[in-house]
Amino acid sequence: ETGVTQSPTHLIKTRGQQVTLRCSSQSGHNTVSWYQQALGQGPQFIFQYYREEENGRGNFPPRFSGLQFPNYSSELNVNALELDDSALYLCASRALAGSHLGYTFGSGTRLTVV
Amino acid sequence: RKEVEQDPGPFNVPEGATVAFNCTYSNSASQSFFWYRQDCRKEPKLLMSVYSSGNEDGRFTAQLNRASQYISLLIRDSKLSDSATYLCVVNAYNTDKLIFGTGTRLQVFP
Repeated sequence: ETGVTQSPTHLIKTRGQQVTLRCSSQSGHNTVSWYQQALGQGPQFIFQYYREEENGRGNFPPRFSGLQFPNYSSELNVNALELDDSALYLCASRALAGSHLGYTFGSGTRLTVV
Repeated sequence: RKEVEQDPGPFNVPEGATVAFNCTYSNSASQSFFWYRQDCRKEPKLLMSVYSSGNEDGRFTAQLNRASQYISLLIRDSKLSDSATYLCVVNAYNTDKLIFGTGTRLQVFP
């Protein structure tokens, strides 16, 4: 089973609200990435954190922000929610910088914005 | 143009059939290539990496053509349990960003 856990599993929010999604990385993993997967699409890279600092960002507006904590757990925050933010949000972690093969995905948080 | 393009399918095939998926990518700097499998309402899971020389894992064979920027996945002797969405994934040199295609849906029927 996956060593990456995400919470909550499902969430319904109203347009304009703010949301925080959480990810607990697999033990020893110091790099975490967040992806957004809309229905019928592949996951889209939001950003990545390495040792508590953002070190890569995709084409997402500033209202998408994140944090990584000393224990390597992570949060994704989205402000001013829009209907198009409805998607599956995936967290992926790995241990070794530059090594894709170590990526482990969590089972995701399904966000619905109404 | 999308960075990674796949035929969305669906591909509906009987058990035992051979099915092939294709994928093209636009960034010639891409260095690593993968196929992921995603079951309905689940997270993506790495199926196999794709190497220039081609590689095989049981019933699955992956091929890469760097000159044409083309990746393929061949599944032989399809099983019902192969029904899933297959995602073509690349990442560029010296980045950790994974670029996913939209996925190709496979449905294997009895």
